[in-house]
Amino acid sequence: GAVVSQHPSWVICKSGTSVKIECRSLDFQATTMFWYRQFPKQSLMLMATSNEGSKATYEQGVEKDKFLINHASLTLSTLTVTSAHPEDSSFYICSARSGGRDEQFFGPGTRLTVL
Amino acid sequence: QKEVEQDPGPLSVPEGAIVSLNCTYSNSAFQYFMWYRQYSRKGPELLMYTYSSGNKEDGRFTAQVDKSSKYISLFIRDSQPSDSATYLCAMSVRAAGNKLTFGGGTRVLVKP
Repeated sequence: GAVVSQHPSWVICKSGTSVKIECRSLDFQATTMFWYRQFPKQSLMLMATSNEGSKATYEQGVEKDKFLINHASLTLSTLTVTSAHPEDSSFYICSARSGGRDEQFFGPGTRLTVL
Repeated sequence: QKEVEQDPGPLSVPEGAIVSLNCTYSNSAFQYFMWYRQYSRKGPELLMYTYSSGNKEDGRFTAQVDKSSKYISLFIRDSQPSDSATYLCAMSVRAAGNKLTFGGGTRVLVKP
């Protein structure tokens, strides 16, 4: 149990375009989802926390207008990187937890490359 | 000083040896302690989850928590080459929405 999927697993886009990444909990209802980014050889950096049906809470320094997060259902959250630039190239990972548990389960990650 | 300190390694051990990993932390409010394994270009995989001081065993993995010393450990018995990965400790406080605070990760290499 506790499987989280992400789509796509990798994406290449041109500078200035927008990219949407989906995160789904496959076998449980995720009341809270988290979005992270990870640079090579570094640990995960939390970008934002989203609770189903509520606006996301962004960490300090993360531009909410650039990284749009939607958590419209208990099994799906999306991250849209708007007007992507090469410095947005990174590994984006989501995690999810259900209301009755404290652990977070991570998706496989999405590698974004902006040309 | 970081909230959670973890030796980056790399830690190289021969196959079959015990891998010993640890993290120290400064925030006494942390309630939940997790160990994740992350292979290159993959998402972290939850290995162990504990919330009290003491030991917890699951197969080849043993997690230890010492809240008085603010120190947690993960032991991997009978290590295999497939255990070669980066191991991340993570901690959280329920009142803070269970946001995870990660250590920097320890890279482990198990040599056949």
